Amino acid sequence: DSGVTQTPKHLITATGQRVTLRCSPRSGDLSVYWYQQSLDQGLQFLIQYYNGEERAKGNILERFSAQQFPDLHSELNLSSLELGDSALYFCASSVEGQGTEQYFGPGTRLTVT
Amino acid sequence: AQSVAQPEDQVNVAEGNPLTVKCTYSVSGNPYLFWYVQYPNRGLQFLLKYITGDNLVKGSYGFEAEFNKSQTSFHLKKPSALVSDSALYFCADAYGQNFVFGPGTRLSVLP
Repeated sequence: DSGVTQTPKHLITATGQRVTLRCSPRSGDLSVYWYQQSLDQGLQFLIQYYNGEERAKGNILERFSAQQFPDLHSELNLSSLELGDSALYFCASSVEGQGTEQYFGPGTRLTVT
Repeated sequence: AQSVAQPEDQVNVAEGNPLTVKCTYSVSGNPYLFWYVQYPNRGLQFLLKYITGDNLVKGSYGFEAEFNKSQTSFHLKKPSALVSDSALYFCADAYGQNFVFGPGTRLSVLP
């Protein structure tokens, strides 16, 4: 158990809908990262937050947004969902500092029908 | 831009034999290199990392990795494979706080 929790584990929704994925980082970790894992794209970095502030952006679509709250949990919002958004979404957390490892949550499997 | 290559999609090895999963990275400053393992329907688990120092890094579950600067490689190794090592393995290079992951290598250890 990495100490990172994600809810829900599974989500099935229809195209055009909006969903929110939730992540709680390990105790003491200020950085939260979101990744998308799909069969054809591999593991793609989406966005990073550090202590409530956006720190870095990766391949995140405009339809997606995220935030980190004062209690350090984070939410990833996915809107106007398309079939191609079906994937595993992972959250990871780490302490601050270059070269520190990230600890991953169990993921949320999103299926868009 | 940083990039990480894992030249083998699949590696098959017999139980008890040594295993190697290959990784090469693009050169840009000092690399911070990591190996992660992913079991089915699970998140990625940290195995080991190279930051600086000894080129041979030891990690969890008996795995080790060798950093080779001249070949820009960071291959994952284990002296004696177990069936339970069968999983998806990812190499990653960190720049700043962000990770670039390789495409993954599926390891199958055959009994």
